[in-house]
Amino acid sequence: AQRVTQPEKLLSVFKGAPVELKCNYSYSGSPELFWYVQYSRQRLQLLLRHISRESIKGFTADLNKGETSFHLKKPFAQEEDSAMYYCALTHIFGNEKLTFGTGTRLTIIP
Amino acid sequence: DGGITQSPKYLFRKEGQNVTLSCEQNLNHDAMYWYRQDPGQGLRLIYYSQIVNDFQKGDIAEGYSVSREKKESFPLTVTSAQKNPTAFYLCASSMSGRTNTGELFFGEGSRLTVL
Repeated sequence: AQRVTQPEKLLSVFKGAPVELKCNYSYSGSPELFWYVQYSRQRLQLLLRHISRESIKGFTADLNKGETSFHLKKPFAQEEDSAMYYCALTHIFGNEKLTFGTGTRLTIIP
Repeated sequence: DGGITQSPKYLFRKEGQNVTLSCEQNLNHDAMYWYRQDPGQGLRLIYYSQIVNDFQKGDIAEGYSVSREKKESFPLTVTSAQKNPTAFYLCASSMSGRTNTGELFFGEGSRLTVL
């Protein structure tokens, strides 16, 4: 069975400080991992996906297969980063359901 | 305006009543999903459908039913058998097959309260 764990329900960080949201997974196949974000009063939306190797809004995430982790990082937090963040997993070839973690609410302190 | 439309946004129901939540998409996506979002539990998959006239149970399908008669529509019925139906329900869609990037597009959600 596939499982995604986000150990922190709440995370508060000062503006300008580095941010790291943790995500660990268990999956027997080849995983594809995602980070989704839900800003206040907005729809849940894709932030970034591992396969794209991209940086979105200054965020990056590295897949560490040895540690089965996909932590989300940003070197300098901004107030607009305050949101709910979900890590999600599916099979690398898609066509399977997306499994979400329990989410981390990030608050940036001005 | 392309996207996913869920209705109603808020719904109240008495115990013992069935209720149907609507989800319509005009993105020409083959796959559609229903998730339930509860505080501290994240998103849990109820049902999903990868093609018209076919759907599969997710992780928490008990007490729910769906249909997929049209590509654009994937209504969810919360039956009286669902023991804890008060929740926020999210519908999503995605491409499938070779074009599937794994990205889900979500609706704004429907909040169901059972009185």
